[in-house]
Amino acid sequence: IAGITQAPTSQILAAGRRMTLRCTQDMRHNAMYWYRQDLGLGLRLIHYSNTAGTTGKGEVPDGYSVSRANTDDFPLTLASAVPSQTSVYFCASSDSTPPRCPTYEQYFGPGTRLTVT
Amino acid sequence: GENVEQHPSTLSVQEGDSAVIKCTYSDSASNYFPWYKQELGKRPQLIIDIRSNVGEKKDQRIAVTLNKTAKHFSLHITETQPEDSAVYFCAAASNNDMRFGAGTRLTVKP
Repeated sequence: IAGITQAPTSQILAAGRRMTLRCTQDMRHNAMYWYRQDLGLGLRLIHYSNTAGTTGKGEVPDGYSVSRANTDDFPLTLASAVPSQTSVYFCASSDSTPPRCPTYEQYFGPGTRLTVT
Repeated sequence: GENVEQHPSTLSVQEGDSAVIKCTYSDSASNYFPWYKQELGKRPQLIIDIRSNVGEKKDQRIAVTLNKTAKHFSLHITETQPEDSAVYFCAAASNNDMRFGAGTRLTVKP
């Protein structure tokens, strides 16, 4: 693995189903993030993690949960998908020392296109 | 929380001309202001960033200016080329909470 990867690349999901989007980075970055990108709205932060074992809520956290069991992985779970969660999801990571410090460049994964029908 | 507004939403320029994109933010605690370029179907990639203790930063044809008093910052691209065509996002961040503008679709016509 080189950099940050996401899986799956795309997914069509029936409403009400549970889905986990995977994100893995091999850069040993402390901080990781999940964004959703909708047309005309830019990128909106869902959840973030400053370091393994800690997570925080972003701008639009409702309907999503995350975990950070180790440095490399940051999965995003939709417990019961709804059509309004149709979006492109980007995972990102940065080499930031938590909890309060200057923010550094965020490296983005390739994205997951999710369609909830 | 932080609110970032970006203008214009679309911008079309002739090759060789300059392009300017402007952003305003609301949270005076924001101390990091990156600009990302996103080509169609690709991931956002950082092109330049500026921190709150600096007023201007240049990198070849790209420059960013920051006015902390007025809470606005701008991206300037000179001598534009067709490969500059993309969507550009500004962002304002403090303590890893980054908020993005809605984006500007830049088209450079050859």
